[in-house]
Amino acid sequence: EEQLVESGGLLVQPGRSLRLSCATSGFNFRDHAMHWVRQAPGKAPEWVSGINWNSISLGYADSVKGRFTISRDNAKSSLDLEISSLRREDTAFYYCVKDAFNFWSGGRFESWGQGTLVTVSS
Amino acid sequence: DMQMTQSPSSLSASVGDRVIITCQASQDTRNYINWYQQRPGKAPKLLIYDASNLQTGVPSRFSGSGFGTDFTLTISSLQPDDIATYYCQQYDNLPPGTFGPGTKVDLK
Repeated sequence: EEQLVESGGLLVQPGRSLRLSCATSGFNFRDHAMHWVRQAPGKAPEWVSGINWNSISLGYADSVKGRFTISRDNAKSSLDLEISSLRREDTAFYYCVKDAFNFWSGGRFESWGQGTLVTVSS
Repeated sequence: DMQMTQSPSSLSASVGDRVIITCQASQDTRNYINWYQQRPGKAPKLLIYDASNLQTGVPSRFSGSGFGTDFTLTISSLQPDDIATYYCQQYDNLPPGTFGPGTKVDLK
């Protein structure tokens, strides 16, 4: 069974930094692009960032470009998201998502973690 | 940027009813549309990919159709387990994850 388990979400002040992690199992991690997708309470999901299977190509939503950094470790089957200069509008559940394809522009989100909540508030 | 709209925004139906949800893209997306189901308090789940292909394990009462800018998700016979919010998502244009605003399905 495929598992994606996020961690690292918490209550943080505006302007601070945070690192989210995702541990995966049950599938061949290095065969798939991976993404972070967030969802503010009561809103539709919003794609945040994606990374190719080999980490050579990365993609970011305009709203997070320059503040978020995605990375992966194929040896550990893990995905990370480094978030800096947090804003109130970054408050959301952050989901680790497996793509059906090995390139991040593939965009077929076939497996999701349970999400980790990031709350940005003073 | 690509914009996605869905209608209705919410609906109430009885068990056994046929339910149809529509999704419209602001630009041609060919057939690069996915549909997701999100039950309350849970993560989204892929139901349909490439507009009309059923994801493995999804009940056959779900089906999708459409091409270009207009798409539909149909539940042939609504079940209590189908109470959820449904989202369409395009992935023909970047960014890859442009979602519609969602359609909430309740039991009448």
